[in-house]
Amino acid sequence: GEKVEQHESTLSVREGDSAVINCTYTDTASSYFPWYKQEAGKGLHFVIDIRSNVDRKQSQRLIVLLDKKAKRFSLHITATQPEDSAIYFCAASYHYGNEKITFGAGTKLTIKP
Amino acid sequence: GGIITQTPKFLIGQEGQKLTLKCQQNFNHDTMYWYRQDSGKGLRLIYYSITENDLQKGDLSEGYDASREKKSSFSLTVTSAQKNEMAVFLCASSRLGGRGEQYFGPGTRLTVL
Repeated sequence: GEKVEQHESTLSVREGDSAVINCTYTDTASSYFPWYKQEAGKGLHFVIDIRSNVDRKQSQRLIVLLDKKAKRFSLHITATQPEDSAIYFCAASYHYGNEKITFGAGTKLTIKP
Repeated sequence: GGIITQTPKFLIGQEGQKLTLKCQQNFNHDTMYWYRQDSGKGLRLIYYSITENDLQKGDLSEGYDASREKKSSFSLTVTSAQKNEMAVFLCASSRLGGRGEQYFGPGTRLTVL
């Protein structure tokens, strides 16, 4: 089955700098890549996603890049703010809207003042 | 908007005990999920259900049962609690055939004595 590896288990950046979280996946059939954010003591919530028919997507300060050849995707958070501190999870699934998603282990992002 | 409610928030049981976790959603979503979150291991899918009375096994279904008696609720039973099952259990829901975004509850933290 699909395996998703999240390369950074922790990441610390200064407020205002950019943060980059990298993930790789194993199954070339995967075509939908969402990102979720988990704040302390809470469940996950969706932040952004990308499908395999594009290689870049932006939503305000969030940019997702997808390199299908390398089976790699990344989340870029620009102009970081204290409220960006959280655990971020990347994920992959076979089909757009598929019921089953494989998650990475999570990256704990800390924004330093 | 909608909400996912998980009960109880904290669950303490004895080793070998049968324990039940409950989840309710008012999004009117077709698909519901149960995940287990262990520190440093991301989320692992236990069971999911694409409609009332449907059950699909995830990667971690051994030792668990699930039940979807109605569209709005999905329960998970730990059939015989083990000490290495201390984890957070997350319930989620999504629209079948939709954009794939899952909505998560706040979690139930299980402690086995």
